[in-house]
Amino acid sequence: NAGVTQTPKFQVLKTGQSMTLQCAQDMNHEYMSWYRQDPGMGLRLIHYSVGAGITDQGEVPNGYNVSRSTTEDFPLRLLSAAPSQTSVYFCASSLSGLFTDTQYFGPGTRLTVL
Amino acid sequence: AQTVTQSQPEMSVQEAETVTLSCTYDTSESDYYLFWYKQPPSRQMILVIRQEAYKQQNATENRFSVNFQKAAKSFSLKISDSQLGDAAMYFCAYRSASGGKLIFGQGTELSVKP
Repeated sequence: NAGVTQTPKFQVLKTGQSMTLQCAQDMNHEYMSWYRQDPGMGLRLIHYSVGAGITDQGEVPNGYNVSRSTTEDFPLRLLSAAPSQTSVYFCASSLSGLFTDTQYFGPGTRLTVL
Repeated sequence: AQTVTQSQPEMSVQEAETVTLSCTYDTSESDYYLFWYKQPPSRQMILVIRQEAYKQQNATENRFSVNFQKAAKSFSLKISDSQLGDAAMYFCAYRSASGGKLIFGQGTELSVKP
């Protein structure tokens, strides 16, 4: 099992550009989520999905879109990047959304918006 | 809404000594899970230990143990016989029984002195 994979590892964008951060898992997990990590603020939930075709907003969803067409993939889209979106992004998955399940994290993507 | 607070931005410990990282949380729920995650310089989020709120017995994983005080809403992590490889950012996290999302504290940066 590769676990949770994220691409790219690093990305630099100019303000207004769009891009997609990729996330995939091979553990047949139903629950997937995206977090951003900023200094002094821990990780904050952007969007999450409890299964293919189902997504919902987290704590900081503005400026981000997601879709879940398959169980394995959960891409995060930035439609018009802003400097405030400079952050480290983590994708995570768990077997279900039950609070008893352990979440597994990907290695992260460091995004810089100039 | 639930919140998690880590009041120690930085901690330092001598190799082979014991250190305790503090975490408090606020919730009105009775069922939930608490977690400690380790984030080394590689940025990967690694689960260290977890505690079920309905269990009075404190969780233990080798050199890592917790002091869970449900009434006080406190969840501290004790690292015994500290090793150089323990140096990392440590995050306390809460997962609600009513939803799958994780709520993180701000993190504590632990350094280990040889």
